[in-house]
Amino acid sequence: DQQVKQNSPSLSVQEGRISILNCDYTNSMFDYFLWYKKYPAEGPTFLISISSIKDKNEDGRFTVFLNKSAKHLSLHIVPSQPGDSAVYFCAATSLNTDKLIFGTGTRLQVFP
Amino acid sequence: DTAVSQTPKYLVTQMGNDKSIKCEQNLGHDTMYWYKQDSKKFLKIMFSYNNKELIINETVPNRFSPKSPDKAHLNLHINSLELGDSAVYFCASSPRDSPLHFGNGTRLTVT
Repeated sequence: DQQVKQNSPSLSVQEGRISILNCDYTNSMFDYFLWYKKYPAEGPTFLISISSIKDKNEDGRFTVFLNKSAKHLSLHIVPSQPGDSAVYFCAATSLNTDKLIFGTGTRLQVFP
Repeated sequence: DTAVSQTPKYLVTQMGNDKSIKCEQNLGHDTMYWYKQDSKKFLKIMFSYNNKELIINETVPNRFSPKSPDKAHLNLHINSLELGDSAVYFCASSPRDSPLHFGNGTRLTVT
């Protein structure tokens, strides 16, 4: 039972444009959501997070949007840069647990 | 000065062997984890330790035994390796209710 889903395995975006990565979840107990970025042969690194009490969190070029009613979150990167090319994992948890549930990732490629 | 370091980076071994993966973090975090990323790219938690105490054990076969000699180390020992154990294993650490810091992974190949 996959509680966190990233239905797009890959995304290709031109440099300077917006990248939108999507994530859906099924467990209504999740109250904290994170995005991780992973380069080849490295571990995932934390990018941005959002609590369920918010619907938007912004950090520089990265913005995460949360739609609780739809159980959907998205990561917007604008403007996209070639260095953003990586696999992006969505993850969710409940703050009273230590268990982080990951999606299967979306491979973003930003081309010049 | 790597924050979460795990060794070895690559591990190739035959079925039936016993192997260990070591993990150390120098961040002073209380909680450490082992995650497994399988061939379908699912990244799933296996174990969580807080101050050397087992917190999470996610229905992992008992051939897998984590050991935490101190809160900066969480090693993973695997007995009687099987083909299905081939995966990338990630160690991670975190302070309470904060994002995880991952190591660079150990790619285990069982032949």
